[in-house]
Amino acid sequence: GAVVSQHPSRVICKSGTSVKIECRSLDFQATTMFWYRQFPKQSLMLMATSNEGSKATYEQGVEKDKFLINHASLTLSTLTVTSAHPEDSSFYICSARDLSRTGSDTQYFGPGTRLTVL
Amino acid sequence: DAKTTQPTSMDCAEGRAANLPCNHSTISGNEYVYWYRQIHSQGPQYIIHGLKNNETNEMASLIITEDRKSSTLILPHATLRDTAVYYCIKRETSYDKVIFGPGTSLSVIP
Repeated sequence: GAVVSQHPSRVICKSGTSVKIECRSLDFQATTMFWYRQFPKQSLMLMATSNEGSKATYEQGVEKDKFLINHASLTLSTLTVTSAHPEDSSFYICSARDLSRTGSDTQYFGPGTRLTVL
Repeated sequence: DAKTTQPTSMDCAEGRAANLPCNHSTISGNEYVYWYRQIHSQGPQYIIHGLKNNETNEMASLIITEDRKSSTLILPHATLRDTAVYYCIKRETSYDKVIFGPGTSLSVIP
């Protein structure tokens, strides 16, 4: 099946710094990627839809200036958490849509990035 | 639109079949039922999906009632590695974004 990677797998940073998380589709091109956030013992919450070559679409309640998304190529989307604070500590998961596949599913999820802000 | 309803948690003995129910009484005619699971601290994994016919693959079986208002995911011989949160989701197409509900936390007991 299709593979989506995330880097880093875990990151610890100080409050006030910015953190960049990368999401890559390794064996397919993804014009659309999605970013989710998951707090402990909660479900995944969709943050935004990232479209290659255009601005991301954010879900209601998600601050676009806080969570900067760049989808500059067909295999890479980045999420930058700006001026991170302890309440931004969470598990961030991306997924990528492969339009070339049919049958099972077209959306593949990355392994997630654990962000801890001290 | 109303989302799906699943039990919060379930237990299953190792080696037995795990039957996970999902209620989707407001499903429309062109919406599929998708199932994903998330093992602790990992990304979600696609399991199976169906429209109105029962489906089976190497991971599980999906039984959809005739009125399509509910479905059951069946893991035929549950193992400890099947311990995870299972999500039942309605989607019109596989291209739609995936919106997760609370899911069912399945614990497979030795």
